[in-house]
Amino acid sequence: DTAVSQTPKYLVTQMGNDKSIKCEQNLGHDTMYWYKQDSKKFLKIMFSYNNKELIINETVPNRFSPKSPDKAHLNLHINSLELGDSAVYFCASSQVFLAGDQDTQYFGPGTRLTVL
Amino acid sequence: DAKTTQPTSMDCAEGRAANLPCNHSTISGNEYVYWYRQIHSQGPQYIIHGLKNNETNEMASLIITEDRKSSTLILPHATLRDTAVYYCIVRKIYGGSQGNLIFGKGTKLSVKP
Repeated sequence: DTAVSQTPKYLVTQMGNDKSIKCEQNLGHDTMYWYKQDSKKFLKIMFSYNNKELIINETVPNRFSPKSPDKAHLNLHINSLELGDSAVYFCASSQVFLAGDQDTQYFGPGTRLTVL
Repeated sequence: DAKTTQPTSMDCAEGRAANLPCNHSTISGNEYVYWYRQIHSQGPQYIIHGLKNNETNEMASLIITEDRKSSTLILPHATLRDTAVYYCIVRKIYGGSQGNLIFGKGTKLSVKP
């Protein structure tokens, strides 16, 4: 069974559109994350959610709105897509929120978003 | 910004040990050393982490120097499937944004037949 899954795997869309990426984890973890990996391969954290509540927002434009309907899901909705949003988006989860021994992060396979 | 320095790339012969170095000279006492890797077109994968003692698991060994300013990840018998970018990350043991995983450029390890 896949621990952290994302859909879709590929997403191609036009500038200005609104799109969503879904993430689900079956590990029973409390914390979920979204990361963005740009064309230069730098991987940066965007959001952290703990028990369905937003904990960290790393200065991401408000066009990006994460939504956590329950602890197992964290979806990413993006409004008014721009060319610069093209990247690979990774979802991750960890058992607990605090850093240290208990919060190893497990990543999903990624969603490659291409904005034309 | 990443607080670690790693070589850009390394080669290793299949079946041999791969030793990946990492410098973290500004590490503080409340920071762990984590290693992740990213195989092409996949999400990052956790490998191992440690605070000050050497650690070993089924994937790798982590050797941390006594002054904690550097560490080495050892893959004892590298296979072609170990070809990936390896990230050495230093992170605090508290929560909040101080505990974020901050990925640098990593080391591109190429395992050759």
